Amino acid sequence: NAGVTQTPKFQVLKTGQSMTLQCAQDMNHNSMYWYRQDPGMGLRLIYYSASEGTTDKGEVPNGYNVSRLNKREFSLRLESAAPSQTSVYFCASSERLGGRTEAFFGQGTRLTVV
Amino acid sequence: LAKTTQPISMDSYEGQEVNITCSHNNIATNDYITWYQQFPSQGPRFIIQGYKTKVTNEVASLFIPADRKSSTLSLPRVSLSDTAVYYCLVGGFTGGGNKLTFGTGTQLKVEL
Repeated sequence: NAGVTQTPKFQVLKTGQSMTLQCAQDMNHNSMYWYRQDPGMGLRLIYYSASEGTTDKGEVPNGYNVSRLNKREFSLRLESAAPSQTSVYFCASSERLGGRTEAFFGQGTRLTVV
Repeated sequence: LAKTTQPISMDSYEGQEVNITCSHNNIATNDYITWYQQFPSQGPRFIIQGYKTKVTNEVASLFIPADRKSSTLSLPRVSLSDTAVYYCLVGGFTGGGNKLTFGTGTQLKVEL
Protein backbone atom coordinates (compact mmCIF):
# COMPACT_ATOMS: atom_id res chain seq x y z
CA ASN A 1 0.00 0.00 0.00
CA ALA A 2 1.98 3.00 -1.31
CA GLY A 3 -0.46 5.76 -0.27
CA VAL A 4 0.20 8.94 -2.29
CA THR A 5 3.01 8.81 -4.83
CA GLN A 6 4.45 11.88 -6.52
CA THR A 7 6.81 12.01 -9.48
CA PRO A 8 9.39 13.36 -9.93
CA LYS A 9 10.98 14.00 -6.53
CA PHE A 10 13.29 16.72 -7.86
CA GLN A 11 13.20 18.86 -10.98
CA VAL A 12 15.11 21.84 -12.34
CA LEU A 13 13.47 23.88 -15.08
CA LYS A 14 14.52 26.86 -17.09
CA THR A 15 12.24 29.88 -17.16
CA GLY A 16 9.54 29.36 -19.77
CA GLN A 17 9.73 25.57 -19.83
CA SER A 18 6.68 23.47 -19.11
CA MET A 19 6.25 20.34 -17.08
CA THR A 20 3.65 18.14 -15.42
CA LEU A 21 3.85 16.90 -11.87
CA GLN A 22 2.22 13.52 -11.43
CA CYS A 23 0.30 12.28 -8.40
CA ALA A 24 -1.39 8.95 -7.81
CA GLN A 25 -3.13 7.49 -4.78
CA ASP A 26 -4.11 3.90 -4.15
CA MET A 27 -6.56 4.45 -1.27
CA ASN A 28 -9.67 4.94 -3.43
CA HIS A 29 -10.11 8.47 -2.07
CA ASN A 30 -12.51 10.85 -3.74
CA SER A 31 -10.71 14.12 -2.92
CA MET A 32 -7.26 15.16 -4.09
CA TYR A 33 -5.22 18.34 -3.63
CA TRP A 34 -2.13 20.17 -4.83
CA TYR A 35 -0.21 22.47 -2.49
CA ARG A 36 2.96 24.48 -2.70
CA GLN A 37 5.22 25.28 0.22
CA ASP A 38 7.84 27.99 0.02
CA PRO A 39 10.80 27.95 2.45
CA GLY A 40 9.73 28.70 6.01
CA MET A 41 6.09 29.09 4.99
CA GLY A 42 2.89 27.14 5.38
CA LEU A 43 1.17 25.14 2.66
CA ARG A 44 -0.90 27.06 0.14
CA LEU A 45 -3.65 25.30 -1.80
CA ILE A 46 -3.26 25.54 -5.57
CA TYR A 47 -6.12 23.37 -6.84
CA TYR A 48 -8.27 20.63 -5.47
CA SER A 49 -10.61 17.99 -6.81
CA ALA A 50 -13.55 16.99 -4.64
CA SER A 51 -14.28 13.98 -6.82
CA GLU A 52 -13.41 12.48 -10.19
CA GLY A 53 -14.39 14.85 -12.96
CA THR A 54 -14.35 18.03 -10.85
CA THR A 55 -11.60 20.54 -10.10
CA ASP A 56 -11.64 23.86 -8.28
CA LYS A 57 -9.21 26.71 -7.69
CA GLY A 58 -7.53 27.10 -4.36
CA GLU A 59 -5.66 30.08 -2.94
CA VAL A 60 -2.90 30.40 -5.56
CA PRO A 61 -4.04 28.91 -8.91
CA ASN A 62 -2.42 31.40 -11.28
CA GLY A 63 0.22 29.82 -13.52
CA TYR A 64 -1.05 26.28 -12.98
CA ASN A 65 -3.51 23.87 -14.52
CA VAL A 66 -4.72 20.51 -13.23
CA SER A 67 -6.26 17.36 -14.61
CA ARG A 68 -8.14 14.74 -12.63
CA LEU A 69 -7.38 11.93 -15.03
CA ASN A 70 -9.33 9.33 -13.08
CA LYS A 71 -10.06 8.59 -9.45
CA ARG A 72 -6.42 7.65 -8.78
CA GLU A 73 -4.53 10.38 -10.59
CA PHE A 74 -4.37 14.16 -10.26
CA SER A 75 -1.72 16.02 -12.25
CA LEU A 76 -0.43 19.59 -11.97
CA ARG A 77 0.92 21.38 -15.04
CA LEU A 78 3.12 24.43 -15.26
CA GLU A 79 2.73 25.81 -18.79
CA SER A 80 5.50 28.41 -18.62
CA ALA A 81 7.61 28.08 -15.50
CA ALA A 82 8.74 31.21 -13.65
CA PRO A 83 11.32 31.60 -10.85
CA SER A 84 8.46 32.51 -8.51
CA GLN A 85 7.21 28.94 -8.89
CA THR A 86 10.32 27.56 -7.23
CA SER A 87 8.86 25.64 -4.31
CA VAL A 88 8.11 22.23 -2.86
CA TYR A 89 4.88 20.81 -4.22
CA PHE A 90 2.76 18.38 -2.23
CA CYS A 91 -0.09 16.26 -3.44
CA ALA A 92 -2.66 14.90 -1.01
CA SER A 93 -5.81 12.82 -0.97
CA SER A 94 -8.59 12.52 1.59
CA GLU A 95 -11.78 10.68 2.37
CA ARG A 96 -14.28 10.69 5.21
CA LEU A 97 -14.10 7.27 6.84
CA GLY A 98 -14.97 6.02 10.28
CA GLY A 99 -16.28 9.38 11.42
CA ARG A 100 -13.23 11.40 10.52
CA THR A 101 -11.58 12.94 7.47
CA GLU A 102 -7.83 12.43 7.18
CA ALA A 103 -5.63 13.75 4.41
CA PHE A 104 -2.60 11.76 3.30
CA PHE A 105 0.33 13.53 1.68
CA GLY A 106 2.94 12.51 -0.82
CA GLN A 107 6.65 12.97 -0.23
CA GLY A 108 6.78 16.18 -2.23
CA THR A 109 8.39 17.41 -5.45
CA ARG A 110 11.18 19.93 -5.05
CA LEU A 111 11.05 22.23 -8.08
CA THR A 112 13.65 24.85 -8.94
CA VAL A 113 13.09 27.29 -11.80
CA VAL A 114 16.21 29.09 -12.97
CA LEU B 1 -13.88 29.22 5.34
CA ALA B 2 -13.04 29.90 8.96
CA LYS B 3 -9.65 31.57 9.36
CA THR B 4 -7.34 30.28 12.06
CA THR B 5 -4.79 32.07 14.22
CA GLN B 6 -1.96 30.25 15.99
CA PRO B 7 1.25 31.32 17.73
CA ILE B 8 4.14 31.41 15.29
CA SER B 9 6.49 29.48 17.57
CA MET B 10 6.75 27.77 20.96
CA ASP B 11 9.64 26.33 22.91
CA SER B 12 9.55 23.47 25.41
CA TYR B 13 11.73 20.92 27.15
CA GLU B 14 11.60 17.17 27.01
CA GLY B 15 9.04 15.64 29.36
CA GLN B 16 6.84 18.72 29.55
CA GLU B 17 3.24 19.00 28.39
CA VAL B 18 2.76 21.39 25.49
CA ASN B 19 -0.51 23.14 24.72
CA ILE B 20 -0.96 24.93 21.40
CA THR B 21 -4.07 27.07 21.06
CA CYS B 22 -5.78 27.95 17.82
CA SER B 23 -8.39 30.70 17.43
CA HIS B 24 -11.18 30.30 14.89
CA ASN B 25 -13.79 32.91 15.76
CA ASN B 26 -15.98 32.43 12.68
CA ILE B 27 -16.19 28.65 12.75
CA ALA B 28 -19.35 27.34 11.08
CA THR B 29 -21.81 24.85 12.52
CA ASN B 30 -20.66 22.00 10.28
CA ASP B 31 -16.92 22.71 10.63
CA TYR B 32 -14.58 20.21 12.23
CA ILE B 33 -11.20 21.08 13.77
CA THR B 34 -8.17 19.12 12.64
CA TRP B 35 -4.50 19.26 13.58
CA TYR B 36 -1.58 18.18 11.40
CA GLN B 37 2.12 17.78 12.15
CA GLN B 38 4.87 18.46 9.64
CA PHE B 39 8.54 17.54 9.86
CA PRO B 40 11.13 19.20 7.58
CA SER B 41 11.11 17.88 4.01
CA GLN B 42 7.98 15.80 4.64
CA GLY B 43 4.29 16.24 3.95
CA PRO B 44 1.96 16.96 6.88
CA ARG B 45 0.62 14.08 8.92
CA PHE B 46 -2.80 13.89 10.59
CA ILE B 47 -2.75 14.09 14.39
CA ILE B 48 -6.29 14.49 15.65
CA GLN B 49 -9.75 15.75 14.71
CA GLY B 50 -12.73 16.85 16.76
CA TYR B 51 -16.01 18.68 16.69
CA LYS B 52 -16.69 19.59 20.33
CA THR B 53 -15.60 18.83 23.90
CA LYS B 54 -12.54 16.61 24.19
CA VAL B 55 -10.96 14.06 21.90
CA THR B 56 -7.99 11.89 22.86
CA ASN B 57 -5.91 9.44 20.89
CA GLU B 58 -2.58 7.74 21.42
CA VAL B 59 -0.50 10.84 20.65
CA ALA B 60 -2.52 13.91 21.64
CA SER B 61 -5.66 15.43 23.10
CA LEU B 62 -7.84 18.08 21.57
CA PHE B 63 -9.87 20.39 23.79
CA ILE B 64 -12.73 22.36 22.28
CA PRO B 65 -14.80 24.73 24.46
CA ALA B 66 -18.55 24.97 24.14
CA ASP B 67 -18.46 28.06 21.89
CA ARG B 68 -15.94 26.30 19.56
CA LYS B 69 -14.20 29.60 18.81
CA SER B 70 -10.87 28.14 19.82
CA SER B 71 -9.23 24.77 20.32
CA THR B 72 -6.14 23.50 22.13
CA LEU B 73 -3.87 20.71 21.02
CA SER B 74 -2.21 19.07 24.01
CA LEU B 75 0.93 16.99 23.60
CA PRO B 76 1.82 15.10 26.79
CA ARG B 77 5.45 14.63 27.77
CA VAL B 78 7.05 15.87 24.57
CA SER B 79 10.37 14.56 23.29
CA LEU B 80 12.94 15.91 20.86
CA SER B 81 11.15 14.06 18.05
CA ASP B 82 8.06 16.24 18.57
CA THR B 83 9.96 19.21 17.17
CA ALA B 84 7.86 20.07 14.13
CA VAL B 85 5.34 22.53 12.72
CA TYR B 86 1.76 22.05 13.89
CA TYR B 87 -1.18 23.24 11.80
CA CYS B 88 -4.76 23.85 12.89
CA LEU B 89 -7.39 23.49 10.17
CA VAL B 90 -11.08 24.26 10.31
CA GLY B 91 -13.53 23.06 7.71
CA GLY B 92 -16.62 21.10 6.92
CA PHE B 93 -15.85 17.58 5.91
CA THR B 94 -18.25 15.79 3.65
CA GLY B 95 -18.06 12.87 1.34
CA GLY B 96 -17.70 15.34 -1.50
CA GLY B 97 -14.41 16.66 -0.22
CA ASN B 98 -13.27 19.78 1.50
CA LYS B 99 -11.09 22.74 0.60
CA LEU B 100 -8.31 21.90 3.05
CA THR B 101 -6.61 25.22 3.76
CA PHE B 102 -3.54 25.44 5.96
CA GLY B 103 -2.52 28.48 7.95
CA THR B 104 1.02 29.46 8.90
CA GLY B 105 1.29 26.86 11.66
CA THR B 106 3.17 26.81 14.98
CA GLN B 107 6.84 25.84 15.04
CA LEU B 108 7.40 23.79 18.19
CA LYS B 109 10.99 23.36 19.32
CA VAL B 110 11.71 20.82 22.03
CA GLU B 111 15.06 20.93 23.80
CA LEU B 112 16.80 18.73 26.34
